[in-house]
Amino acid sequence: GDSVTQMEGPVTLSEEAFLTINCTYTATGYPSLFWYVQYPGEGLQLLLKATKADDKGSNKGFEATYRKETTSFHLEKGSVQVSDSAVYFCALERGKLIFGQGTELSVKP
Amino acid sequence: SAVISQKPSRDICQRGTSLTIQCQVDSQVTMMFWYRQQPGQSLTLIATANQGSEATYESGFVIDKFPISRPNLTFSTLTVSNMSPEDSSIYLCSVELDGRSQYFGPGTRLLVL
Repeated sequence: GDSVTQMEGPVTLSEEAFLTINCTYTATGYPSLFWYVQYPGEGLQLLLKATKADDKGSNKGFEATYRKETTSFHLEKGSVQVSDSAVYFCALERGKLIFGQGTELSVKP
Repeated sequence: SAVISQKPSRDICQRGTSLTIQCQVDSQVTMMFWYRQQPGQSLTLIATANQGSEATYESGFVIDKFPISRPNLTFSTLTVSNMSPEDSSIYLCSVELDGRSQYFGPGTRLLVL
């Protein structure tokens, strides 16, 4: 069945460091792909999405490109801030959302 | 996007009791969803609630345990029945907008003693 795999956390970075959170998926066809962010004590916020191969989603300095060759949708940011500390979830849409296990990011000043 | 609210935001309940969680959205939506997030875990879909039809439950979730109502296009409730400590979780509702993007409410944090 369809599934999403994320790199394990926690990921700890210093402020202004480059961020990559790996996400790969298993699915037939070309589902829409999403990144959500969950700040402490809050619900999920949609961060970005891509609906077809080679699409790049971007928002708030975060980017992810839909790569069908590698079935990946890695999240990147060039310079993280302390305020980016949160849990990040990769998901695919197949009539419903199927989530990865989440990756906790901690950014230190 | 949409403004989605949930009530209560958190609760502490005794085992054997039931809790009804409300989800309100500020625009009319066809598809609403209920998810569970167990401590330190990812999200798992409980059921899909469309207005005017019975909710569709995912494998492992049953209507007797998690009855859902969807009386109109802006509101839904999820009841967690006969609770046990294993039901301690965050329960989140979401709505589908913008071509199958889902937007989430703030969640209801439930602790069962």
